[in-house]
Amino acid sequence: EDQVTQSPEALRLQEGESSSLNCSYTVSGLRGLFWYRQDPGKGPEFLFTLYSAGEEKEKERLKATLTKKESFLHITAPKPEDSATYLCAVRTIGQGNLIFGKGTKLSVKP
Amino acid sequence: EAGVTQFPSHSVIEKGQTVTLRCDPISGHDNLYWYRRVMGKEIKFLLHFVKESKQDESGMPNNRFLAERTGGTYSTLKVQPAELEDSGVYFCASSQARGVYEQYFGPGTRLTVT
Repeated sequence: EDQVTQSPEALRLQEGESSSLNCSYTVSGLRGLFWYRQDPGKGPEFLFTLYSAGEEKEKERLKATLTKKESFLHITAPKPEDSATYLCAVRTIGQGNLIFGKGTKLSVKP
Repeated sequence: EAGVTQFPSHSVIEKGQTVTLRCDPISGHDNLYWYRRVMGKEIKFLLHFVKESKQDESGMPNNRFLAERTGGTYSTLKVQPAELEDSGVYFCASSQARGVYEQYFGPGTRLTVT
C-alpha cells in the first residue's frame, strides 16, 4: 500500500534555529513528490515539486531534497512567519491524485 | 489570476439533511480534485475530474456522495443524507491538463454534521 509518513508531528524552534522536516514514502512508483504549506483555516499552498532522487529545490529559507525513500524540507534561519503546518504528498505512476502525510506543525518563536 | 474558490466556507447541518459544496477551479485547469480531511487524519482523495468526466472516484466513501462537474467548469459535491462521520474539511484542487503539474488548493469548506 502506498504510504507517506512525516516526522516529527510538531516542531518548536527559536527564530534563527535551522532544522529539517522529514517525509518518508513507500510507493509502487513515484511520479512526483510535493511539499505544501498550510496556515490555519486555509487550504494547502504549493511550495515545491521533486521528481527524481538527487533533485533539490529552494525558495527563500526553504530547501527541499529527495532520495529514493524520503524527502527533507530544510529550514534555514527560520522566522516566526514560517510557522505553519508543512504537508508532504506523493503522486504515483498511473494515478492523478495526491497521497498526503499527516503533516508537521512548525512553530517558530521570536 | 484568481485561485480556486469554494463555497460555502462553513456549513453546519443536522444528520439526515442534504448539503451541496461548490468548487470553482482556476480558469483553464482541466483537472479538478476533491479531497477531505477529517479530524486527526491526513487529507484523503475523494475523486478526480478531467473536464466533465469522472476520471477516478475510488476515494468516494459511499453512495451518499455525488459529485458533478457541469460543462467542465465548476464542480459540486452533494452529501445526501449527511451522517456524523461526514464532518470534516472538504478541499477542492485543480491542475493543468498535462504533465505532473502541481495541484492548487482552495480554502476548503468546513462541514459540521450534528
